[in-house]
Amino acid sequence: GENVEQHPSTLSVQEGDSAVIKCTYSDSASNYFPWYKQELGKGPQLIIDIRSNVGEKKDQRIAVTLNKTAKHFSLHITETQPEDSAVYFCAARGNDMRFGAGTRLTVKP
Amino acid sequence: KAGVTQTPRYLIKTRGQQVTLSCSPISGHRSVSWYQQTPGQGLQFLFEYFSETQRNKGNFPGRFSGRQFSNSRSEMNVSTLELGDSALYLCASSREGGSRNEQFFGPGTRLTVL
Repeated sequence: GENVEQHPSTLSVQEGDSAVIKCTYSDSASNYFPWYKQELGKGPQLIIDIRSNVGEKKDQRIAVTLNKTAKHFSLHITETQPEDSAVYFCAARGNDMRFGAGTRLTVKP
Repeated sequence: KAGVTQTPRYLIKTRGQQVTLSCSPISGHRSVSWYQQTPGQGLQFLFEYFSETQRNKGNFPGRFSGRQFSNSRSEMNVSTLELGDSALYLCASSREGGSRNEQFFGPGTRLTVL
């Protein structure tokens, strides 16, 4: 099966700074890599995803990069805002979806 | 377009009981997946249904089961509840399922087993 490791487990940044979360996966059959944001009391919300034929994707302040050779992918949030504070999960999909353990991001105003 | 809905939102049961959770996917979505989320184990895949057939199953005991109806709504059942089954149960829907379709999550059902 697929194992997804995510780092760091907690991340605290000052408003306006950038935040980077990294994930590695083990199953070379994985070809879809979504990122989710989960706020307290809610289900995970898809914020960006990337497919294996693409190296980088950007959506406003959020970007994701994928290195298939090294089997790692990263989430980059620029110009962070307090409302970005949440738990972020990476995932990798092969036969099923496997999630990282999550990163609790705190953006201090 | 309405999102994924799950009922009930909260549930309290005692050990040994059984429970049924319901999920209504986004209109037009035919795939429904279920996940268990706990602080210790994180998000773990339970099973995936597509067109009323179980397409994939995670590593959970047979006490966990599910089904999907012709309108794509899905239910999951847990029998002989154990304390360790206390968790947030999340349902996610996608248009076709498989490895290239975005999944959208519902708010979850918080199950507490006493």
